[in-house]
Amino acid sequence: GQQVMQIPQYQHVQEGEDFTTYCNSSTTLSNIQWYKQRPGGHPVFLIQLVKSGEVKKQKRLTFQFGEAKKNSSLHITATQTTDVGTYFCAGNSGTYKYIFGTGTRLKVLA
Amino acid sequence: DAGITQSPRHKVTETGTPVTLRCHQTENHRYMYWYRQDPGHGLRLIHYSYGVKDTDKGEVSDGYSVSRSKTEDFLLTLESATSSQTSVYFCAISQDRGDGYTFGSGTRLTVV
Repeated sequence: GQQVMQIPQYQHVQEGEDFTTYCNSSTTLSNIQWYKQRPGGHPVFLIQLVKSGEVKKQKRLTFQFGEAKKNSSLHITATQTTDVGTYFCAGNSGTYKYIFGTGTRLKVLA
Repeated sequence: DAGITQSPRHKVTETGTPVTLRCHQTENHRYMYWYRQDPGHGLRLIHYSYGVKDTDKGEVSDGYSVSRSKTEDFLLTLESATSSQTSVYFCAISQDRGDGYTFGSGTRLTVV
């Protein structure tokens, strides 16, 4: 069945450093979504990518969808303490179901 | 998010007892989902619904059943709880199947 892997599992950065998490699917995706979950909270939808090679930006966050639509990345420029949390990708292969990656837990050291 | 609520927020139950978790939405969204979250596994889909009385299985449906008799309510039942079902359970909703999900605040279930 479809699998979605994320790396790294954990990342500790100094405040102001950049951060990137990568998402890889075993199958070609129709689209991919990204979520953020703060410690003790619930996942919150950030963005959806649909087109091959698509790049979207939200302030300091840059999201990319691979040309083959099997991978994606989230890059945060100049991290802040408010960026702390776990970032999940979720891939859809054209069904009702999104398969979530295992997540990358980001810790920002002030 | 105010449009989706889960109950109870916390529950401790004994092995072998039935447990029902409730998800209630006020957004009139068609799609509803139940996920469980465990360390090292991320979020795994248990069951989902694409309309009243229309449900289907997800990745980890064994030991769980669901019902949706009204648009606003999606119930998850553990017929006979086991310790492996100790987890945090999240309900999610979406207007359309390609939309981003809105998650509830979760139910922390402990089976002892």
